[in-house]
Amino acid sequence: DSGVTQTPKHLITATGQRVTLRCSPRSGDLSVYWYQQSLDQGLQFLIQYYNGEERAKGNILERFSAQQFPDLHSELNLSSLELGDSALYFCASGKGGSETQYFGPGTRLLVL
Amino acid sequence: GESVGLHLPTLSVQEGDNSIINCAYSNSASDYFIWYKQESGKGPQFIIDIRSNMDKRQGQRVTVLLNKTVKHLSLQIAATQPGDSAVYFCAESPSGGYNKLIFGAGTRLAVHP
Repeated sequence: DSGVTQTPKHLITATGQRVTLRCSPRSGDLSVYWYQQSLDQGLQFLIQYYNGEERAKGNILERFSAQQFPDLHSELNLSSLELGDSALYFCASGKGGSETQYFGPGTRLLVL
Repeated sequence: GESVGLHLPTLSVQEGDNSIINCAYSNSASDYFIWYKQESGKGPQFIIDIRSNMDKRQGQRVTVLLNKTVKHLSLQIAATQPGDSAVYFCAESPSGGYNKLIFGAGTRLAVHP
């Protein structure tokens, strides 16, 4: 158990819908990272937040957004969902800087 | 450029043998590298890391070797056990970046009794 929690574990929705994925980092970690894992693209970095502020952006679509709250939990919002958004979404946390990221168990999203 | 997971090579070993998993990283400026293990249905689990000022680092039954000249990383697992069966990913952190990790495609390790 990494100490990072993610909810829900599974999510099934329809195209065009919007979903919110939630992540709670390990105690003491200020950074939260979101990654998408799909069969054809592997693990791809989406976005990082540090102590409530966006710090780095990767290959995140404009239909996706995230935020980190004062209690340091983070939410990833996915809107206007398409079939191709079906993937595993992982949250990782760390102290920020060049240090280890610890991953949560992921949310499996299926868009039908 | 970014590493993508289009192909997943498989390494098959006998229980008790040593395993070596290789990884070529993409950015010569990367200064931090991590190996993760991912079991089916689970998130990536940290195994071992190494900074660019080191060539070798050892953990419990695992050793990571870094060759910056050829941008190559390897993970050695001693006395491989069935519980080691998983997909192994290397990841790099670009220098000066804000800790974004770039993942390799992954290697599936299959341990046979």
